[in-house]
Amino acid sequence: DVKVTQSSRYLVKRTGEKVFLECVQDMDHENMFWYRQDPGLGLRLIYFSYDVKMKEKGDIPEGYSVSREKKERFSLILESASTNQTSMYLCASTRTGGAEQYFGPGTRLTVT
Amino acid sequence: GENVEQHPSTLSVQEGDSAVIKCTYSDSASNYFPWYKQELGKRPQLIIDIRSNVGEKKDQRIAVTLNKTAKHFSLHITETQPEDSAVYFCAASVYNQGGKLIFGQGTELSVKP
Repeated sequence: DVKVTQSSRYLVKRTGEKVFLECVQDMDHENMFWYRQDPGLGLRLIYFSYDVKMKEKGDIPEGYSVSREKKERFSLILESASTNQTSMYLCASTRTGGAEQYFGPGTRLTVT
Repeated sequence: GENVEQHPSTLSVQEGDSAVIKCTYSDSASNYFPWYKQELGKRPQLIIDIRSNVGEKKDQRIAVTLNKTAKHFSLHITETQPEDSAVYFCAASVYNQGGKLIFGQGTELSVKP
């Protein structure tokens, strides 16, 4: 059974802080994704990674960066948090050649 | 790049009725179309998917249809039950391109007993 975990379910940060969101999967998946979910906007892709140390921009990468030093771990970094980054953040993974994305439980981030 | 539009944004039906959610996509290269269900407070989960070499796929009370010419695909839920209440997302991608999905905006389905 695939397991994708995220470091926090709820997080409150102040404007300007550097924020780290971590995602870990235990199924040896090559591909990992970070989305943000906002009402009426669906799931929007921030960054994704096909392999260790590789990353590609999604549709809304501005204000974010990522790190993938190990295959099982994909981190999303908010360099300087702003209030418009208040959102639900979802991580997902899938194997190369696979189809189904397996999602983590999400981190609800509030920036005040 | 790919763009996916989903309608309606909210849908309310009586228990036992059918529900239909529609999506359109823009990239003719897309060939994989999954649907995800997200219950309140939970993570999205795949419920059904279709590839472009078929026009329809069924799994018990849910079915998906695809019209490649018109770039439309739809989710059909028959005999709805209260446990079908959730947010449903359609998505599109080019299969085998690393699993990158472009999602629609979501439909909040409410099934009233």
